[in-house]
Amino acid sequence: GAGVSQSPSNKVTEKGKDVELRCDPISGHTALYWYRQRLGQGLEFLIYFQGNSAPDKSGLPSDRFSAERTGESVSTLTIQRTQQEDSAVYLCASSLVTAGNTIYFGEGSWLTVV
Amino acid sequence: KNEVEQSPQNLTAQEGEFITINCSYSVGISALHWLQQHPGGGIVSLFMLSSGKKKHGRLIATINIQEKHSSLHITASHPRDSAVYICALISSGSARQLTFGSGTQLTVLP
Repeated sequence: GAGVSQSPSNKVTEKGKDVELRCDPISGHTALYWYRQRLGQGLEFLIYFQGNSAPDKSGLPSDRFSAERTGESVSTLTIQRTQQEDSAVYLCASSLVTAGNTIYFGEGSWLTVV
Repeated sequence: KNEVEQSPQNLTAQEGEFITINCSYSVGISALHWLQQHPGGGIVSLFMLSSGKKKHGRLIATINIQEKHSSLHITASHPRDSAVYICALISSGSARQLTFGSGTQLTVLP
C-alpha cells in the first residue's frame, strides 16, 4: 500500500483478554518497528524487525507481549491477558533498510483495556 | 541524564513568529529524525539528518554533530503548525531503534 497500515484503529477490550494488533508496512521496507505511547507520555520502543535477522525485543515490557513478522511483510503484536496499564496507542513504523532512512509511521491502534 | 533532551517542553507563539525547538544529545549518532505528532496521534517524519541543514517549505532543520545539537525552525508560524515535535536519534553502531526526546508541545495562536 501507499503507507503503513494498522488495524484495528481502535480496540476496547476487557481486562484479561488477549488482543492482536496488525501492521502492514510499506512494500519493500525491510525494517519494521513497534512503539507504544501511553496517554500524555512519550514514545516507547517495543520491538524491531529487520529482514530475516533475529528481532530486537529489548523494549517489550513483559512476557505478555510478543510480536511476529512474516518475512518482510505483515507484523502482528499480541498482548496476552491485557491489563489496564496496557491502554495506549500502539504505533507501527517502517523504513527502507534501517532507521537511518526516513521512517514512516502508521496511524496507530488505540487500545483501551477496561 | 537522558540521552536526548528537548527544549522547550511547551511553546506558545503568535501566528507569524519564528520558532526554534532544540534537541541536545549525549551519544554518538548516525542520524537524527524530527517528527511531528498531531493531536489525533498520527506521526509524520519531517526530516532525517546526519549533517548540515535541510529545508522543506517553512521548516528548517540543522544539526551540529560536534556539538551534539540539532534545531528545528519554523518560519512564519501558523496555527496549523500546532503539534508535538519530537527529535529521535539513532545511536552510532545501532540501527535498531530510535531514542526519543520527550517532545515539544507547540501552540500557535491566531
